[in-house]
Amino acid sequence: GDSVTQMEGPVTLSEEAFLTINCTYTATGYPSLFWYVQYPGEGLQLLLKATKADDKGSNKGFEATYRKETTSFHLEKGSVQVSDSAVYFCALSDQSYGQNFVFGPGTRLSVLP
Amino acid sequence: EAGVAQSPRYKIIEKRQSVAFWCNPISGHATLYWYQQILGQGPKLLIQFQNNGVVDDSQLPKDRFSAERLKGVDSTLKIQPAKLEDSAVYLCASRFRELAGGGDTQYFGPGTRLTVL
Repeated sequence: GDSVTQMEGPVTLSEEAFLTINCTYTATGYPSLFWYVQYPGEGLQLLLKATKADDKGSNKGFEATYRKETTSFHLEKGSVQVSDSAVYFCALSDQSYGQNFVFGPGTRLSVLP
Repeated sequence: EAGVAQSPRYKIIEKRQSVAFWCNPISGHATLYWYQQILGQGPKLLIQFQNNGVVDDSQLPKDRFSAERLKGVDSTLKIQPAKLEDSAVYLCASRFRELAGGGDTQYFGPGTRLTVL
């Protein structure tokens, strides 16, 4: 079945550091890819998405590029802020599986001032 | 636009008791999902509804879990009887419609945190 693998956390960075959170996937069809963020005490929020190969999703300074050849969707941000501290989930939605979402285990990011 | 509403936000019960959670999706969203999120893990799909019909319940432990969406709008998820391992956050999400390629966005509610003692 489909699956999503993320780098293990927690990731601890200083403010203004560069962020990369790796995400790779296995899918039968041609999935859409998503990054969701969960701030402390809140529900999941969509951060960005990409629906086909080579698409780049971006939002709030974060970006990720859908790489079909490496089955990856790594999340990056050039300069993190303390307010970016949260848990980040990579997910896919696969047409061949009724478009159900499969989530990765999440990566906790802590940004120190 | 109002978001996905869930209640209660927190629930503490003893094992073997019953519990029910309620979800009201965003108006007009045909697809509704229930997820179980165990601490430190990503959400796991329990059941997906399209309007008032079940699309996928393959990961729902049907001996103790049940869910319904009778009028194609709000939904309830029930656990009867609860076990210790059911302690988790139960998330409801909705999506406007199924699109080719699966690109339409899911919107999540705040979740219900269940503790089974």
